[in-house]
Amino acid sequence: DAKTTQPNSMESNEEEPVHLPCNHSTISGTDYIHWYRQLPSQGPEYVIHGLTSNVNNRMASLAIAEDRKSSTLILHRATLRDAAVYYCFQNQGAQKLVFGQGTRLTINP
Amino acid sequence: DAGVIQSPRHEVTEMGQEVTLRCKPISGHNSLFWYRQTMMRGLELLIYFNNNVPIDDSGMPEDRFSAKMPNASFSTLKIQPSEPRDSAVYFCASTRLTGGFSYEQYFGPGTRLTVT
Repeated sequence: DAKTTQPNSMESNEEEPVHLPCNHSTISGTDYIHWYRQLPSQGPEYVIHGLTSNVNNRMASLAIAEDRKSSTLILHRATLRDAAVYYCFQNQGAQKLVFGQGTRLTINP
Repeated sequence: DAGVIQSPRHEVTEMGQEVTLRCKPISGHNSLFWYRQTMMRGLELLIYFNNNVPIDDSGMPEDRFSAKMPNASFSTLKIQPSEPRDSAVYFCASTRLTGGFSYEQYFGPGTRLTVT
C-alpha cells in the first residue's frame, strides 16, 4: 500500500492559519491526494482532494507541490472545532483508504 | 439525508458471545466499508463491498469475523465467538462509485464494542 508521512502532532492558536504537511514520496502519476480528519469521538470525515492543482473548498485549501511529492493542508483561521487528527492519503480514489497515524492538531484558545 | 447509520452505538458483551454490528449506508451509495479502530493499531480496513459483493476482505482478522450485505441498504459485521482483543470502535462507511471511482467516503458514528 502507498505510504505517506506526516508529523505526529502540531499545535496552533485559535484564529491563526495552520499548515499541515504530508510527504508523498511514492506517489504515482494517477494517484489523487486526499485529506480526511477525525474529530474526537467521531468517525473520519472528508476534507479535500486534488490531483495537481491547488484546491479550495469551504473547509480548507490544499497546496500540492509541483513534483507532487508533498502537499499541505491549509486551515486559514483555525477554530477550537478544528482540533482533530488529520490524515493524508495518496490513491486513485476513495476505494481503499489505508490510514496511517495522522497528525494530531491541537488548537490553543 | 440521515447519513450512515450504525447500531448499536455501544455494545458490552462477555467473551464467547456472538456480536452483530449493523450498518445502513447512505441511500444511493453502492460501496460500503467496515473499519476497526484501536489505540494500538489505529484505523484498519476490514472489508469492503461494491454493489453488495465483497471485493476485499484481506483485513478481516480471522474466521471469527464475517460480514454480509444482503441488499444495498443493509450490512452486518458478525464476530463469533467474541474475545477481549476484539474490543474496539467499529466504523462503517459508504460512497457512490461513478465509473468505478469515488473521492469521498462518508463514515458513520461508530459502534464501541467492549468484550469482557
